[in-house]
Amino acid sequence: DAKTTQPPSMDCAEGRAANLPCNHSTISGNEYVYWYRQIHSQGPQYIIHGLKNNETNEMASLIITEDRKSSTLILPHATLRDTAVYYCIVRAPPGGSGNTGKLIFGQGTTLQVKP
Amino acid sequence: GAGVSQSPSNKVTEKGKDVELRCDPISGHTALYWYRQSLGQGLEFLIYFQGNSAPDKSGLPSDRFSAERTGGSVSTLTIQRTQQEDSAVYLCASSQQYGLDTGELFFGEGSRLTVL
Repeated sequence: DAKTTQPPSMDCAEGRAANLPCNHSTISGNEYVYWYRQIHSQGPQYIIHGLKNNETNEMASLIITEDRKSSTLILPHATLRDTAVYYCIVRAPPGGSGNTGKLIFGQGTTLQVKP
Repeated sequence: GAGVSQSPSNKVTEKGKDVELRCDPISGHTALYWYRQSLGQGLEFLIYFQGNSAPDKSGLPSDRFSAERTGGSVSTLTIQRTQQEDSAVYLCASSQQYGLDTGELFFGEGSRLTVL
């Protein structure tokens, strides 16, 4: 699975949009981009995923560049409860070529939302 | 609609003792994963189950670590002769891998192991 690069930390003012970048320049054609977050002392939580089109759900939006070498997770109106470590992961779907579906977590970006 | 359940939530043991950590995945989820997270570190993959078999054990750090899954449901992670470096939060996750794959792994709250 391709590696990702994320800034180690970011700050965001409460109520403003939080834009978290991720570089995945070696992504393969069948690999999806996934975002998870981990709030202190809890298990990781799925946020969103995409292949090449931009995606939006009730939690966030995912913007993937046309060449798929980078993406941005957008939390439109950050709250204090969004303070967490955010992980960007690329992964091929499970099944083919022995893919197990496991997620390989990097160090992520620690997002601090400030009042 | 229970989520992934792990027990015990906290375990303190003495160096050299064996420990067992239990994971109850979401009903119907065929895939089960174990991870561990040492203090201040990222998540480290340990083992993956598809049904009762474990096609990927590549993350188990030593032969003191083993895991099994029975009935395609409950899994137990066993650590023999615990060492202080085994102290970590052990996280279990499950997913439904047949049919439409959303890529979503559902994680439990973890079992915090402290080896004195």
